[in-house]
Amino acid sequence: AQSVAQPEDQVNVAEGNPLTVKCTYSVSGNPYLFWYVQYPNRGLQFLLKYITGDNLVKGSYGFEAEFNKSQTSFHLKKPSALVSDSALYFCAVRPSPSGSARQLTFGSGTQLTVLP
Amino acid sequence: KAGVTQTPRYLIKTRGQQVTLSCSPISGHRSVSWYQQTPGQGLQFLFEYFSETQRNKGNFPGRFSGRQFSNSRSEMNVSTLELGDSALYLCASSTPGLATTGELFFGEGSRLTVL
Repeated sequence: AQSVAQPEDQVNVAEGNPLTVKCTYSVSGNPYLFWYVQYPNRGLQFLLKYITGDNLVKGSYGFEAEFNKSQTSFHLKKPSALVSDSALYFCAVRPSPSGSARQLTFGSGTQLTVLP
Repeated sequence: KAGVTQTPRYLIKTRGQQVTLSCSPISGHRSVSWYQQTPGQGLQFLFEYFSETQRNKGNFPGRFSGRQFSNSRSEMNVSTLELGDSALYLCASSTPGLATTGELFFGEGSRLTVL
């Protein structure tokens, strides 16, 4: 069975500093990995995905993620954090190619707080 | 283009009652999936529908059910409510092309409180 782990419940970073939100995964076969963001009292918004190709994936709002197969990681990054980036971030994995693409397995979430 | 619309946004029920939640997907999206979000269990997949057929179901008891109509709108129902059913219920829609790579469009959710 596939799974993702987000080892940090909370990440605090000063505005203007780079940010990293960590995610590790466990899947059989090639992983399909995703990052979603949730603002208070809102649904989830898609940020970016890794399917295949370049290990550095660029997404919305200046975010990017680095896929590292040897470390089974897919960390979310941004060079310069904004206060408006403060939100709950979820890493997710799609099940095996034979499984449904709509049945994502989500991590537990990381609350990012950007301090002014 | 309108996003995914979920109604009602907030509701309060008592134990033993039943509830029906509605989801209207983005126009042209034929797939709808449902997730439950709680502080303790996080985001958990409930079920998905495509072309009025349930394609997959998560590990939830039979009290949780759903359906999809010919216009792709979907409803989920929870019968005999328990305190533990208090959660944010999220609906997500997708198209076959996007669904292949797992990109889902979520509504803002229906927050259910069971007293």
